[in-house]
Amino acid sequence: DAGVTQSPTHLIKTRGQHVTLRCSPISGHKSVSWYQQVLGQGPQFIFQYYEKEERGRGNFPDRFSARQFPNYSSELNVNALLLGDSALYLCASSLAGGSGNEQFFGPGTRLTVL
Amino acid sequence: AQSVTQLGSHVSVSEGALVLLRCNYSSSVPPYLFWYVQYPNQGLQLLLKYTTGATLVKGINGFEAEFKKSETSFHLTKPSAHMSDAAEYFCAVSDYSWGKFQFGAGTQVVVTP
Repeated sequence: DAGVTQSPTHLIKTRGQHVTLRCSPISGHKSVSWYQQVLGQGPQFIFQYYEKEERGRGNFPDRFSARQFPNYSSELNVNALLLGDSALYLCASSLAGGSGNEQFFGPGTRLTVL
Repeated sequence: AQSVTQLGSHVSVSEGALVLLRCNYSSSVPPYLFWYVQYPNQGLQLLLKYTTGATLVKGINGFEAEFKKSETSFHLTKPSAHMSDAAEYFCAVSDYSWGKFQFGAGTQVVVTP
């Protein structure tokens, strides 16, 4: 079975631009979470979606938004990009949204903001 | 609020030696605890998790961890390091709220011949 997939793999943007990152969960998984991993740090929680509803939000500005589609895939949108948004963005899927459910991570999208 | 502290950003071990990675957490409720491994240019892979029950948890690749509530610790060990264990390791904690994982800063493990 295919794991969590993310696209694109790498992305280069300039300050002020907008970016959309995409994630497809493992088949049968209904929950998707997004994390930002800055170089040298652990992943930071951005959002969790379950059954197309936002279930959790981390401490990120409103420039960050996300949504989940009927097929459970998800998009993360970031507006007005800043240099500090450069990071690896990880998507994780789980069967359900509860904290005891194992999260399976995708390979990530490397975003570079110039 | 919950938080995770991983002691030591870099650990160097000899092949065949004990691997010990330290993780301390804080949580206002009984936590769920996880260890993940990340190889270069890859996502995170679950090594093991503690939810309830037995406090000694065995995971993949010979790793195990022990939940010690009195010490608020969840240290990861492997009796004998292998070259393939070279990677970055993350401890994470989650409470009963919806899926919000708090990760530590990570520990980079280097294995020397």
